[in-house]
Amino acid sequence: DIQMTQSPSSLSASVGDRVTITCRASQSISSYLNWHQQIPGKAPKVLIYGASTLKGGVPSRFSGSGSGTDFTLTISSLQPEDFATYYCQQSFSTPYTFGQGTKLEIK
Amino acid sequence: VQLVESGGGLVRPGGSLRLSCAASGLTFTTAWMSWVRQAPGKGLEWVGRIKSKIDGETTDYAAPVKGIFTITRDDSKNMLFLQMNSLKTEDTAVYYCSTEDGRNWGQGTLVTVSS
Repeated sequence: DIQMTQSPSSLSASVGDRVTITCRASQSISSYLNWHQQIPGKAPKVLIYGASTLKGGVPSRFSGSGSGTDFTLTISSLQPEDFATYYCQQSFSTPYTFGQGTKLEIK
Repeated sequence: VQLVESGGGLVRPGGSLRLSCAASGLTFTTAWMSWVRQAPGKGLEWVGRIKSKIDGETTDYAAPVKGIFTITRDDSKNMLFLQMNSLKTEDTAVYYCSTEDGRNWGQGTLVTVSS
């Protein structure tokens, strides 16, 4: 199985900050990488798929990059509604494993 | 795209439960579909997926549920199902259906396995 490792596991930041979350795959997954956001008590929703394609309706302050084994999710200027948990997920081969999550908290 | 799960509830260890997911707003007959679960306070865990009928309707499962859970679909009703047998307390989770590419999720249904 492909292991997905996110860092950091948690992060404190302020509104307006630029934030980067990284995700590393245990083997190459090309660009088969999704980033999901989950607000407590809500279902996850995808922000980015194919490593760098923004889902329609997602604010442009979110961006994704990377290919192979190393990926990043960047939020250019944090807004209050962005405080949530973020998960990466590989869809290269089954089982489609998730990272352990990064909890983004208000400083 | 709208995905609506149902069928969750309280079940005793060793029992069975069948979850349903009603899909709309997509061409369901060609969609590959997945189930994902989330135990209380934990991260997301992929459960399994089913391909479209035209692609063989084959299934893949995560190791913890292989041989115990079964994913099926009814394209005539745009429905996805998860049959869960021999349930254990560690199967307690919110279960989500999603499109296989992860781009669309349902709201989830809670399954509690407890005596």
